[in-house]
Amino acid sequence: QVQLQESGPGLVKPSQTLSLTCTVSGYSITSGFYWGWIRQPPGKGLEWIGSIFHSGNTYYNPSLQSRVTISLDTSKNQISLRLTSVTAADTALYHCARQSASTNWFDPWGQGTLVTVSS
Amino acid sequence: DIQMTQSPSTVSASVGDRVTITCRASQGIYSWLAWYQQKPGKAPDLLIYGASNLQSGVPSRFSGSGSGTDFTLTISNLQPEDSATYYCQKANSFPFTFGQGTRLVIK
Repeated sequence: QVQLQESGPGLVKPSQTLSLTCTVSGYSITSGFYWGWIRQPPGKGLEWIGSIFHSGNTYYNPSLQSRVTISLDTSKNQISLRLTSVTAADTALYHCARQSASTNWFDPWGQGTLVTVSS
Repeated sequence: DIQMTQSPSTVSASVGDRVTITCRASQGIYSWLAWYQQKPGKAPDLLIYGASNLQSGVPSRFSGSGSGTDFTLTISNLQPEDSATYYCQKANSFPFTFGQGTRLVIK
């Protein structure tokens, strides 16, 4: 059974860099799926941040592209997210999810980790 | 970019009722649409993919239809555990935009 678990600092200062890790268990991240990051501001809807293929090819939301980097650590079976120059608008619950490479739906999802941007 | 618009934003219904939630794409996306259910404090769960295909383990009272720009999620014989927020997602190409969500309240 595939399980995803996000982790990282819960508090980041404005203008700094947000760094999160998604640890996958029960499945190798090199086995042919995309891996995506999706965020959800408190009380609001879902926003796709970006996805990475097992080959390392990445696709980012145009609204975040200049600030986002998603990468793989195959030795640890982890996916990483970096978001630079954060502001309060980046405060959200950050989820990682497995994404079918052929059909593009997200399943399963991690529970998410809350990141607050505040001084 | 293609925008996804859901309606209504909130719907209230009773146990046993039938509810329909609509998702409209600003451009045609064929059947490249997924529906998710999110309960408070939980991660979203995939309900339907390809506009009308039920994900394994999802009760048959959930159904999806539509293609092109107009899609619907129908929940028949509402149960208390169906209280949640429902999201559609375009899946034809990047960026993978979600609708703003529809909150289902069970009276």
